[in-house]
Amino acid sequence: NAGVTQTPKFRVLKTGQSMTLLCAQDMNHEYMYWYRQDPGMGLRLIHYSVGEGTTAKGEVPDGYNVSRLKKQNFLLGLESAAPSQTSVYFCASSYTGMGPETQYFGPGTRLLVL
Amino acid sequence: AQSVTQLDSQVPVFEEAPVELRCNYSSSVSVYLFWYVQYPNQGLQLLLKYLSGSTLVKGINGFEAEFNKSQTSFHLRKPSVHISDTAEYFCAVTPRGTQGGSEKLVFGKGTKLTVNP
Repeated sequence: NAGVTQTPKFRVLKTGQSMTLLCAQDMNHEYMYWYRQDPGMGLRLIHYSVGEGTTAKGEVPDGYNVSRLKKQNFLLGLESAAPSQTSVYFCASSYTGMGPETQYFGPGTRLLVL
Repeated sequence: AQSVTQLDSQVPVFEEAPVELRCNYSSSVSVYLFWYVQYPNQGLQLLLKYLSGSTLVKGINGFEAEFNKSQTSFHLRKPSVHISDTAEYFCAVTPRGTQGGSEKLVFGKGTKLTVNP
């Protein structure tokens, strides 16, 4: 049982390049989330998904797109990377979307945009 | 809307000393409260959460937290810390009831706990 995994672990992009971050979970969770973590800012929600084929915007969605074609995978795309998107990206999942539900996090992807 | 304030960005302590990490929140509705821990170069994991009932909540690794509704606080404590407790700790809240949902989880900015020998 791997839990939540993220690919890649680290990436360097040039401004304007595109990339996709992959998140996979093997816990049969319905809900999945993408957060970004910046120094002194805590975690902020980018997008989330309440189930296969559905996505919704979080607090900071601009510049990102997501897709959830399969229940176990949640992809985060950057179409034209900007230096402001330099961050650590965390994927998380939860069994339901109930308030008390625990979220399970992946190990993170460090992205540097030059 | 909810907000979370973690009063200390960094807390250095010596091994075997007690520690308290402070968290205050603001909300116009009742909330669920969480503490997550992030060890170096890892993702976050749940330490404990307050849902209802006893205001003293026990979590993993000997940590506990006390919910104080009148002071809107949820401070995290451990009576004797170890080197392995060195990590960043995040307090988080989400509203209860129909206004709530896991996507509404709001995190504080984090407190870096450094345990020195």
